Amino acid sequence: KAGVTQTPRYLIKTRGQQVTLSCSPISGHRSVSWYQQTPGQGLQFLFEYFSETQRNKGNFPGRFSGRQFSNSRSEMNVSTLELGDSALYLCASSLEGGVYEQYFGPGTRLTVT
Amino acid sequence: AQSVTQLDSQVPVFEEAPVELRCNYSSSVSVYLFWYVQYPNQGLQLLLKYLSGSTLVKSINGFEAEFNKSQTSFHLRKPSVHISDTAEYFCAGGGQAAGNKLTFGGGTRVLVKP
Repeated sequence: KAGVTQTPRYLIKTRGQQVTLSCSPISGHRSVSWYQQTPGQGLQFLFEYFSETQRNKGNFPGRFSGRQFSNSRSEMNVSTLELGDSALYLCASSLEGGVYEQYFGPGTRLTVT
Repeated sequence: AQSVTQLDSQVPVFEEAPVELRCNYSSSVSVYLFWYVQYPNQGLQLLLKYLSGSTLVKSINGFEAEFNKSQTSFHLRKPSVHISDTAEYFCAGGGQAAGNKLTFGGGTRVLVKP
């Protein structure tokens, strides 16, 4: 089976812009979770989608949003980018989601200038 | 709230020496615990997991971890490391009481020296 894929792998944006990141889960997986990884804050949970519904959400401002399509592919959107949004954004897919084992993609490295 | 603490941010170790990465979690109910490894410029890979049953869990590449409920720990060990084990290791845990989502520790960077 193909693994989790994320596009693009690298992105440079300027403050105030918005960005959309994409994640394709492993075939058959219905859950997609998103994480932000930074040197200072480590890995932080953004949200989880399961069968097109947001099932869980972390403590991030409303500028961070996501959605999941009927084929389980997911997108994450960040509006009004700030310098502090520079991070590695990781997507993970899982058969059942929640606290069960997750399979991570390679991540999208976002740099905000 | 569920929290996961990795006690060492960096662990230098010589090749073929043993290594232990410490992880403590906070929870008074059933938990699921995981160790993930992240190589440079890559995502996280699942190394091993504890869901229930035997408290000692092993990976295919020689790592093992023991779930210790009384000490709320899930330390990762390998008796003899290779250069290729140089990576960052993350402990993660979760349970229904923690909102049914995974919480990650801060990571431990392992540097294997020849």
